[in-house]
Amino acid sequence: GAVVSQHPSWVICKSGTSVKIECRSLDFQATTMFWYRQFPKQSLMLMATSNEGSKATYEQGVEKDKFLINHASLTLSTLTVTSAHPEDSSFYICSARRAINEKLFFGSGTQLSVL
Amino acid sequence: QKEVEQNSGPLSVPEGAIASLNCTYSDRGSQSFFWYRQYSGKSPELIMSIYSNGDKEDGRFTAQLNKASQYVSLLIRDSQPSDSATYLCAPERGSARQLTFGSGTQLTVLP
Repeated sequence: GAVVSQHPSWVICKSGTSVKIECRSLDFQATTMFWYRQFPKQSLMLMATSNEGSKATYEQGVEKDKFLINHASLTLSTLTVTSAHPEDSSFYICSARRAINEKLFFGSGTQLSVL
Repeated sequence: QKEVEQNSGPLSVPEGAIASLNCTYSDRGSQSFFWYRQYSGKSPELIMSIYSNGDKEDGRFTAQLNKASQYVSLLIRDSQPSDSATYLCAPERGSARQLTFGSGTQLTVLP
């Protein structure tokens, strides 16, 4: 099956700093990528939908200026958590698909801890 | 009303038994439905997909869909300890066909 690589797997940062998470589709071109956030014991919450070459579409309640998403190529999308605070500590997961009627593939997730 | 509701867990079944997981959804426009399994600290993995009313079987797993009742379920036969995980129901929605995940049901299969 197709592979979606997500880096880093875990990151610890100080409050106020920015963190970038990468999501790469290794063996297919992803026209759409999705970013999710999952707090402990809770479900995955969709943060934004990212299409290559266009601005991401953010879900209601997600601050676009805080969670910067860049989908500059068909194989790479990045999520930057700007000025991170402890309440941003969460498990962030990306997913990607080649076309709208094709299967969705998930990255392995990034555990962010903000001190 | 939540977009996707799953039966509250945790659910414990003995090894070899049938585990029954239920899900209701609010968006009548959803046409595709997915069940994912998630182990702690890991990303979800796809178990089953179902698009038409009725049953769909794949090995020990059977998904059932009733669009009129906005209900989808997953049965796991001959449950194994390795099936112990959180199961997430995820209907597709919207023009981009995003997945909306339920809160999940934690299943424990006791040896």
